[in-house]
Amino acid sequence: QKEVEQNSGPLSVPEGAIASLNCTYSDRGSQSFFWYRQYSGKSPELIMFIYSNGDKEDGRFTAQLNKASQYVSLLIRDSQPSDSATYLCAVNMRTGRRALTFGSGTRLQVQP
Amino acid sequence: EPEVTQTPSHQVTQMGQEVILRCVPISNHLYFYWYRQILGQKVEFLVSFYNNEISEKSEIFDDQFSVERPDGSNFTLKIRSTKLEDSAMYFCASRITVNQPQHFGDGTRLSIL
Repeated sequence: QKEVEQNSGPLSVPEGAIASLNCTYSDRGSQSFFWYRQYSGKSPELIMFIYSNGDKEDGRFTAQLNKASQYVSLLIRDSQPSDSATYLCAVNMRTGRRALTFGSGTRLQVQP
Repeated sequence: EPEVTQTPSHQVTQMGQEVILRCVPISNHLYFYWYRQILGQKVEFLVSFYNNEISEKSEIFDDQFSVERPDGSNFTLKIRSTKLEDSAMYFCASRITVNQPQHFGDGTRLSIL
């Protein structure tokens, strides 16, 4: 079964620290990878996307992809209390499905 | 910035009744999706729609569900005979091409009594 796995957390970091969120996926042929942020009771909000191995930076956020290890991560630098949310990893898997397969999310708590 | 809009924000319906959830995707987007999220659970794919037809559907999307794009702007999800377990947040998403990110609407919270 094709899966996306995330540690549910909570991951607790102090304000100003780096938060590191991880995700593994089962389909080796997966092609595109997305990080969404979801506040309680709200919809997923796109943070980053990455298609190629390596790092991609956007402001305080860096997405990292290692297809050989089937691993994608999100780093949040200078974490703020407003970053406290659930972070969803989502993958476009190869197996005929263009829709996203979501992980269960990691809850991040940034302590002031 | 263009947004996906969904109505209503909250729908309360008696079990067995039909419900229609509405979405207006971003205007130049070509691919449309419905997802649902039961409280405390993962976001789950229901159906995707492209070129006026369903392109993929999940095992959740059984005969009680249907989708339609009646007028070139709206994209609807109909649940014919609602069950208690249909209670969830329903999200519409759209994207411009198949590998670009999907953008989500604010969702409709469906409560079945």
